[in-house]
Amino acid sequence: GESVGLHLPTLSVQEGDNSIINCAYSNSASDYFIWYKQESGKGPQFIIDIRSNMDKRQGQRVTVLLNKTVKHLSLQIAATQPGDSAVYFCAENMEEASGTYKYIFGTGTRLKVLA
Amino acid sequence: DSGVTQTPKHLITATGQRVTLRCSPRSGDLSVYWYQQSLDQGLQFLIQYYNGEERAKGNILERFSAQQFPDLHSELNLSSLELGDSALYFCASSQVGQGASEQYFGPGTRLTVT
Repeated sequence: GESVGLHLPTLSVQEGDNSIINCAYSNSASDYFIWYKQESGKGPQFIIDIRSNMDKRQGQRVTVLLNKTVKHLSLQIAATQPGDSAVYFCAENMEEASGTYKYIFGTGTRLKVLA
Repeated sequence: DSGVTQTPKHLITATGQRVTLRCSPRSGDLSVYWYQQSLDQGLQFLIQYYNGEERAKGNILERFSAQQFPDLHSELNLSSLELGDSALYFCASSQVGQGASEQYFGPGTRLTVT
């Protein structure tokens, strides 16, 4: 498959442990955030989202935390599995002065799950 | 499978040439987004169309253009290609035109310019 981001920061986690992936976003006016997972050779896949009026949201084995004070987003994966190995991107949705919206993606973190 | 399709999967062409990438959104989605992903970079937003009209523009070069047709499929045209245009090009679709909305990504087109 294709290699994405050969020089991305890498997080190595033992299978069964919890993973925490962090992201700093750029715009304090952004009001919607998404975490995506991208496996080798595939397009990004939605994991979980959160709106700016929340600070925590839980899904199945995943939790997203939002700290607007320091413009920080984190993704927690419980009981990490080999299938979780991928590159993870955060994205912020912001409204521009023109009234249009656009997504800004972070550079990504590679998660490696060790057996 | 996201329901978004992209063709071709791979494309190899020479500098100075022109190519067209095609995207069909998920059934019912009116918005199409185009992104470029280079080897060491994240996703760079290029352009968005909603129901046939341009809705938002990102870091799209003047050599690049896109359109969305009445059947909602979209094409991204890349001309006067340069080596630096080699990248993965993703299309995504969503139901809404703006604001917070989950985007569904296609499998991408790998463009190699030689």
